[in-house]
Amino acid sequence: EPEVTQTPSHQVTQMGQEVILRCVPISNHLYFYWYRQILGQKVEFLVSFYNNEISEKSEIFDDQFSVERPDGSNFTLKIRSTKLEDSAMYFCASSPRDNYNEQFFGPGTRLTVL
Amino acid sequence: AQSVSQHNHHVILSEAASLELGCNYSYGGTVNLFWYVQYPGQHLQLLLKYFSGDPLVKGIKGFEAEFIKSKFSFNLRKPSVQWSDTAEYFCAVRGTYKYIFGTGTRLKVLA
Repeated sequence: EPEVTQTPSHQVTQMGQEVILRCVPISNHLYFYWYRQILGQKVEFLVSFYNNEISEKSEIFDDQFSVERPDGSNFTLKIRSTKLEDSAMYFCASSPRDNYNEQFFGPGTRLTVL
Repeated sequence: AQSVSQHNHHVILSEAASLELGCNYSYGGTVNLFWYVQYPGQHLQLLLKYFSGDPLVKGIKGFEAEFIKSKFSFNLRKPSVQWSDTAEYFCAVRGTYKYIFGTGTRLKVLA
C-alpha cells in the first residue's frame, strides 16, 4: 500500500541554522500538508498546499517557514533560522484529488534544535 | 471557531475493562471526524473515520465510535482493552484545508 515517506527521521541542528524537512507524498495525491507536534502536546496544523500554492496556513507558519514542491515527487518544509521552540515532530500528509477530506500521514521527522 | 475537545487527558484501565474516550467538536460545515492512535515513539495511525451514513463507525483493532450530531460528539469505544492499547489517542475534525486535533488522551492499560 502506498505510503507517505519523510526524511530524515531525526534531524539535530544548531539554533539559527536552516533546515529542510523532506516528504514524498503518495504519488497520485494533489493536496499536501505539514503539521507539527511539540513533545507532549497536540498535533498542530502548519500549512496546506495545492496547485503550487499555499491554501491555508496557521499563525505558527510565519516568515521563517516556507514550503516548496521542487519536483513532481518531493514536498519540503524549510525553516530559515531555527529556534529552540521549533523542536518538535513534523508530520507531512497528503490527500488524493478525489477525496481531499482524508489525509494520509507520514512517519514524521523529529527536529531537535540545540 | 473550529475546535476539538478531549476531556479525558489521562486514563488508566486494567486489561479487559471497557473504554470510552470523549470527543466533542465545534465546526459549522460538513463534518468529517477521525480518531488516530499514536503508540510510544511512533507516528499517527488512523483508527477510524466518519464521513456520512451510519453514525456507528467500526475501525481497526476492535475500536468503534459513535457520531451523535445533536451532542456534537464522536466518542471512541472499545469493549475490552488490552495492554497493547497503551497509547495516545487523538480525535480530529476536518476543517477547510486542515485537520484540527484535540489535545489527546493518554491511555495506560495495566496488565
